[in-house]
Amino acid sequence: SQQGEEDPQALSIQEGENATMNCSYKTSINNLQWYRQNSGRGLVHLILIRSNEREKHSGRLRVTLDTSKKSSSLLITASRAADTASYFCAGGSSNTGKLIFGQGTTLQVKP
Amino acid sequence: DAGVTQSPTHLIKTRGQQVTLRCSPKSGHDTVSWYQQALGQGPQFIFQYYEEEERQRGNFPDRFSGHQFPNYSSELNVNALLLGDSALYLCASSTFQGVRDGYTFGSGTRLTVV
Repeated sequence: SQQGEEDPQALSIQEGENATMNCSYKTSINNLQWYRQNSGRGLVHLILIRSNEREKHSGRLRVTLDTSKKSSSLLITASRAADTASYFCAGGSSNTGKLIFGQGTTLQVKP
Repeated sequence: DAGVTQSPTHLIKTRGQQVTLRCSPKSGHDTVSWYQQALGQGPQFIFQYYEEEERQRGNFPDRFSGHQFPNYSSELNVNALLLGDSALYLCASSTFQGVRDGYTFGSGTRLTVV
């Protein structure tokens, strides 16, 4: 079963704008990971935030994690057309070694 | 440094047939996980192999089986194919504690069952 829900399911913005995607999860996790997928190809790991962290940055990416609300958000600043893709959050458990993915947010960045 | 390599990239099979998908992990990785991604959905965990043994398994029937070889490469076998098995099959490699650091995914095998 899926970990939870991602919101919105689809997002369309202009180049240069910021994009925010939200993720809620159901079970206990050790970390929350975000992946990007272009046109149904393989997933690319973007960023990992551990359960004892609240915020993490990597380049134009900013991730927050609220374990009390079981939610996370991914912010992409100054978006580019090349950011057009599907974005997935995935809860990771060090006990099970598996990722449980959300259903994803499809981002379109218009040039 | 090669990433995760999957073969074949596309495959068409008939209901009832059997299929084998292959995965070579990223250099330095010893753990391989398999995921099934239906169209428009997030990937779902099938199973994970480490030290040539299945360590974890998701909610998939016994028709789905796997193997890991001494060189860490892996195969996913699906028997008695159903139309519903049509999906993108993704292989992910990591070190055994990779869940702490993130996984490297291959480009996937697109399986179509007709």
